[in-house]
Order: sequence, then C-alpha cells, then structure tokens
Amino acid sequence: GQQVMQIPQYQHVQEGEDFTTYCNSSTTLSNIQWYKQRPGGHPVFLIQLVKSGEVKKQKRLTFQFGEAKKNSSLHITATQTTDVGTYFCSKPSGTYKYIFGTGTRLKVLA
Amino acid sequence: KAGVTQTPRYLIKTRGQQVTLSCSPISGHRSVSWYQQTPGQGLQFLFEYFSETQRNKGNFPGRFSGRQFSNSRSEMNVSTLELGDSALYLCASSPGQGTEKLFFGSGTQLSVL
Repeated sequence: GQQVMQIPQYQHVQEGEDFTTYCNSSTTLSNIQWYKQRPGGHPVFLIQLVKSGEVKKQKRLTFQFGEAKKNSSLHITATQTTDVGTYFCSKPSGTYKYIFGTGTRLKVLA
Repeated sequence: KAGVTQTPRYLIKTRGQQVTLSCSPISGHRSVSWYQQTPGQGLQFLFEYFSETQRNKGNFPGRFSGRQFSNSRSEMNVSTLELGDSALYLCASSPGQGTEKLFFGSGTQLSVL
C-alpha cells in the first residue's frame, strides 16, 4: 500500500541518550505531520511542518523539514522513559487524505 | 470537548461474519477518516467521509465500506470477514477544511477467528 518510509524501524536507547527518526518521500511534500502512539494507545498529533527548512522545537523534541521538502526528522534530546512509543510521520496524499509512515518504535532502557 | 469515541473497544468474530464499527467525532468536526493498523502493514488509510459523502478511498477490497450520518457520526462495515482482517481499526476526526491535524479515537480491536 501507499506508505512513507521511515528509518529506523526500531530503536533502543539508554535513558538520557538522544534519538532521531527520519521520514523520506520520493515526492515534494506540501506539509508533513508527526504523531506519537504510546504502547496500547492511539496516535496523538505532535506537530505540522509546512515551510522548506523549517525547524520547530517542543521542549526536548526538535522537528525539521528538509530544504527540498522531501524529508523530515524528529530528534529527541536526552530521552526519558515517557518517550517510549512509536513515532509516525504523515503526509497528505491528494486532498483530505493522509498517508502514514511505517513508524519508528522507540524503547528507552532505564 | 469530548474526544473521538469508538465503539466497541474489542470485538471477536469468526470468518465469514460481518462487523460494524462506530465512530463519533469531536463536536463540530465534519470529517471522519478510518485507518487499519496491523503490526506488519502499519497504518493503512481506508476512507474519509465529509458531510455524509465519501471523499477519499484507500486500496481496500469492496468488503470494506462505510457511511456517515448527518450528525457526522460514522460507521464502517466489513463483510465476509477473513483472518487477515484482524487489526486495530482507528477513526480520526478533523474539521475537514484542509490540511489539519487528525484526532484519533482509541480504536476497535477486531479479532477474526
């Protein structure tokens, strides 16, 4: 099916280490969204990026949109156990339709 | 505001049966999207409804259908269930006016035996 590639698929880090997930598209994106899904939970919206080269921060989370608007990244500084979950990027496909990335599952070891 | 409500939370069916899942969006939201989530395939888009009309459809067989009512509540139906239909079915609501964030419900976990 239609999906957006995310890497890595899994990441285990020690608490306090940094974490980065990357989202790549073969086509130019008008915008990109990021969601977090806790184990047993549902996806929760984190942020939307629209502009080329845009960088947004939310406390320890830094989101970037590539200059060519074909890739994006989410970086977490000094991970905590509360960061555990799966992080998805999502891109619009046509109008009013969103395609989700394959997700990166983060496990934080205390 | 109350969040997106999905019922039932869990469902067990056998092959060949049909199932109907319900989703009540956030008050004022007119768009409801449905997604299927499985460990192997991730989040797959099923369809999106706005003002009782299906605006978008994913690549799923015709056994998967949906509808939306005048109060924006939506249902999805899966007929002739197959083992591979076992999944978490998530609905998401949004105002439906453009590029917006989606608000997801807790999902319905469907198991087909």
